[in-house]
Parts: sequence; structure tokens; C-alpha cells
Amino acid sequence: DMKVTQMPRYLIKRMGENVLLECGQDMSHETMYWYRQDPGLGLQLIYISYDVDSNSEGDIPKGYRVSRKKREHFSLILDSAKTNQTSVYFCASSLDWGSYEQYFGPGTRLTVL
Amino acid sequence: GEKVEQHESTLSVREGDSAVINCTYTDTASSYFPWYKQEAGKSLHFVIDIRSNVDRKQSQRLIVLLDKKAKRFSLHITATQPEDSAIYFCAASRSNNRIFFGDGTQLVVKP
Repeated sequence: DMKVTQMPRYLIKRMGENVLLECGQDMSHETMYWYRQDPGLGLQLIYISYDVDSNSEGDIPKGYRVSRKKREHFSLILDSAKTNQTSVYFCASSLDWGSYEQYFGPGTRLTVL
Repeated sequence: GEKVEQHESTLSVREGDSAVINCTYTDTASSYFPWYKQEAGKSLHFVIDIRSNVDRKQSQRLIVLLDKKAKRFSLHITATQPEDSAIYFCAASRSNNRIFFGDGTQLVVKP
């Protein structure tokens, strides 16, 4: 069963706390992504990972970092979270560098107070 | 970089009518144009795409048209049903997996 999972689904943190969002996929996809979605807006790409330890910045990387130590896991880290990082975060994966279709996880709703 | 614009932020149609969502893009090198659907409170899933070597593609009730000269593409949903109600995102890509999304169109199908 092809699936992208995200944990946690909901998270409330205080400003200045560290945040770890986890993403997993069981399709052996090489490429993985982190996006954020804000009300009325499309998806903004934060980071893209082409494979283990091969990560590139997207359009809005500031305030975020990522880690990919295993092909099936991709983590998004917010060091000292800010209130403007309140958003819904989506992880996605695609088969490889040349594949366009992306499979999305269910999303994590993060609130930073 | 690429900029994708969706012209309609909301669209309301009656069940059984057709719905059309229009998008434009800026990068002439874009060659792949997917559409994603997001139902209320859920994630996005792929519905249909078109590549730049064709100008029309149909999958059941979904038709995608591409006008490369005008840098415009559109999604046509025929014989709409209540379950078509969702936010639809158009997107464009030239290569290396970077997909640029529009802001989404909220489609409401009224019974």
C-alpha cells in the first residue's frame, strides 16, 4: 500500500521551542519534499531531498532545516519556532529525480503560540 | 522562477454542469502541468496532468487543455458531482522535480 505518513498530525508549541516534524514513505522513493500551506495560498516549497544526505533549499528555507539519513524518512526541524511558522506542513515524495508525480502525506497542523 | 496563477479563487456550479478552472504560467520552459485536488481537511492528491507535447488530454470527466503560445492551461470537469467539490491546484514544472503551485480554486458543486 503506497503511503506517505506524517507525525504528529497536530502540534502546539510555544515560541522559541524546537519542533521536529517527521515524514515517512514506504515506496522507496528517492525524492522527498517539505511544503507549507497557508490559508488561501498554494504550497510553498521549503526543502527538497534528492536522496540520503542530498538536500536542497526550496523557496522559503529560512528558519528551517532538514535531515534525511534513511531513504524512507525525511525530517523537518524548526530551531526556536516563531509564531509566523504556524501553518500546515505537507511532506511529499516522488519516485526519482525524473518523476514528476508527487504523493502527499496527510499534513501536520503546527501552531506556535 | 516560475509563477503560476489561478484566475478563479472560488467557483460555484450546479450539479451536472461543467466547471472550468484557468491557470497561466510564466516560464516558457515549463513542460509538465499537473493538477491536484484537496478535499476539505485532507491532503492533496494527483488527478490529471498534461505534457507540453500535446494540447489536450482527457481522463473520464476531466479534460485538460494547454495553450503553449498563450502560456495558459485549464481543467474542465464535465457533468459535475457533489464529490467534485474541493480545492483544485494547478501547477507547472520544467525539470528537476520542482513543481510550482497556483494558489488554488475552491470549487463548490451545488445540488
